Amino acid sequence: DSGVTQTPKHLITATGQRVTLRCSPRSGDLSVYWYQQSLDQGLQFLIQYYNGEERAKGNILERFSAQQFPDLHSELNLSSLELGDSALYFCASSEGQAFYNSPLHFGNGTRLTVT
Amino acid sequence: GNSVTQMEGPVTLSEEAFLTINCTYTATGYPSLFWYVQYPGEGLQLLLKATKADDKGSNKGFEATYRKETTSFHLEKGSVQVSDSAVYFCALSPDDKVIFGPGTSLSVIP
Repeated sequence: DSGVTQTPKHLITATGQRVTLRCSPRSGDLSVYWYQQSLDQGLQFLIQYYNGEERAKGNILERFSAQQFPDLHSELNLSSLELGDSALYFCASSEGQAFYNSPLHFGNGTRLTVT
Repeated sequence: GNSVTQMEGPVTLSEEAFLTINCTYTATGYPSLFWYVQYPGEGLQLLLKATKADDKGSNKGFEATYRKETTSFHLEKGSVQVSDSAVYFCALSPDDKVIFGPGTSLSVIP
């Protein structure tokens, strides 16, 4: 058990809809990262927050947004969903700001299916 | 730019066989290198890491040596078990970001 909790585990929704994925980081971890995993794109970094502030941005679409709350949990909002957004979305947390000195701990992911 | 290349899978081995999964990288500076493992239905877990040239990371019988001269970080295990069946990701962190390779799927058959 990594200590990172993601909800829900599965989500099925229709095109054009909006969903929110939730992540509770490991106790004591200040950084939260969001990744998208699909068969054709592999593991893509979306965004990182550190102690409530956006720290780094990756290949995140404008239709997607995220935030980290004062209690350090994070939410990833996906809107105007398209079929191609179907993927596994992982949240990870780490103690520090920088990945190189603070390894990531991953949750079990939320599987999003857009129909 | 920074990138990670891994050998394509899937790799299928018999139990107790020797495993090598190749990983090479392109990076500026001196990145930290990692291997992560993803078991079916789970998130990624850190398997081992190396932070400077010639460092050897090891865990659960797996080893990888940071080779700066060949920009490689190949994963090895002397005798695989069925329970090692998973997807293995090589990753590098040249700065405050992390870049994952595409992953290599390993199946170990009894």
